[in-house]
Amino acid sequence: GAGVSQSPSNKVTEKGKDVELRCDPISGHTALYWYRQSLGQGLEFLIYFQGNSAPDKSGLPSDRFSAERTGGSVSTLTIQRTQQEDSAVYLCASTPDRLGAGYGYTFGSGTRLTVV
Amino acid sequence: QQQVKQSPQSLIVQKGGISIINCAYENTAFDYFPWYQQFPGKGPALLIAIRPDVSEKKEGRFTISFNKSAKQFSLHIMDSQPGDSATYFCAASIVLTDKLIFGTGTRLQVFP
Repeated sequence: GAGVSQSPSNKVTEKGKDVELRCDPISGHTALYWYRQSLGQGLEFLIYFQGNSAPDKSGLPSDRFSAERTGGSVSTLTIQRTQQEDSAVYLCASTPDRLGAGYGYTFGSGTRLTVV
Repeated sequence: QQQVKQSPQSLIVQKGGISIINCAYENTAFDYFPWYQQFPGKGPALLIAIRPDVSEKKEGRFTISFNKSAKQFSLHIMDSQPGDSATYFCAASIVLTDKLIFGTGTRLQVFP
């Protein structure tokens, strides 16, 4: 596609429910990132996929958060038993190669998650 | 050590003025310093980036100044325009880790 596509754009869920957020990166991009942006905060790194390598999960805040990337393309971020503090904008980004090659991240428009 | 500190949190500038946003870091292993621009409802977009082997990089009205000894870098927007009104994020990374650490953002408002 022309850009990074994220769905849904908005999600309201009840506390305790599970949610799945989808990211469709630019075709051919090998690297995919998930970040979280809370109100008034910067972008918090969550997880990084690069090709067939094991993902870097070092930013996931708890074991309620997980992500997978199928076939080296689409990624799904799953939050189990959502809490109010999970409310944020979840951003996905992709790059065509490793960061060192000089490519910046291309971000999607994000999924705004509200836990009530 | 992994933090990037950004200031100010918000900035109001008259049209035609210079906007300056500052960032500081502690980790001397960082070797890539980009700036991202974010409009409401959109994801951040890469604006300009610098490596530590140069002290300044200019692209149009946007300039990054880099001070390696002070571990600081800044974004200067010359002749600021209302269309520049957005949130700006600095970031840093160790290139081999492929992972950007972002500052907390600066909301810039340019008034005509």
